[in-house]
Amino acid sequence: GQNIDQPTEMTATEGAIVQINCTYQTSGFNGLFWYQQHAGEAPTFLSYNVLDGLEEKGRFSSFLSRSKGYSYLLLKELQMKDSASYLCAVRDGISGGYNKLIFGAGTRLAVHP
Amino acid sequence: GAVVSQHPSRVICKSGTSVKIECRSLDFQATTMFWYRQFPKQSLMLMATSNEGSKATYEQGVEKDKFLINHASLTLSTLTVTSAHPEDSSFYICSARARDKIQETQYFGPGTRLLVL
Repeated sequence: GQNIDQPTEMTATEGAIVQINCTYQTSGFNGLFWYQQHAGEAPTFLSYNVLDGLEEKGRFSSFLSRSKGYSYLLLKELQMKDSASYLCAVRDGISGGYNKLIFGAGTRLAVHP
Repeated sequence: GAVVSQHPSRVICKSGTSVKIECRSLDFQATTMFWYRQFPKQSLMLMATSNEGSKATYEQGVEKDKFLINHASLTLSTLTVTSAHPEDSSFYICSARARDKIQETQYFGPGTRLLVL
């Protein structure tokens, strides 16, 4: 079956670092995405990993270990505007070539002063 | 970055009426478009996948006769909710995959909030 797990909620302090974990079990794998979603808005693309290792992009970094079915999103120098839901999504790489994304339930991050 | 638009952003309708939602990729050609539904505090649930010029592929449990999808061109897909009922009230989000992007990232539209009275 398809299963993507991530914590439901996290809190952190402004200026700090937070790591949001994601574990997955899917029929196929063709990349892992992280999206940010503010309440009432559509998700915005943050990062993409298809090979093992760390991808860094400004304050945000994402790590992938395919053998462990594990990824994390690292947010540095947290700002109040980072309060949002963070969605982990795996592209399954099958489904007749459509490569659909399977989303986790999302992690609601609250950043406090 | 790639831009995807949706129209309308918000719609309120009476039970039994049909609602059409448009999804457009503004600055790229989208080989594939996806339609998602999201209920409050839940994640995105894929409803269907559509490729330009062919029939949509619906996920299990999604009624194809109720949620009509038309992918008329490489930049436009429409979702029509037929005979809408209050339980269809949700946040509908489309996503388009860029044709010429190496990593084939999916870009999301701003979403359409549907309220059926």
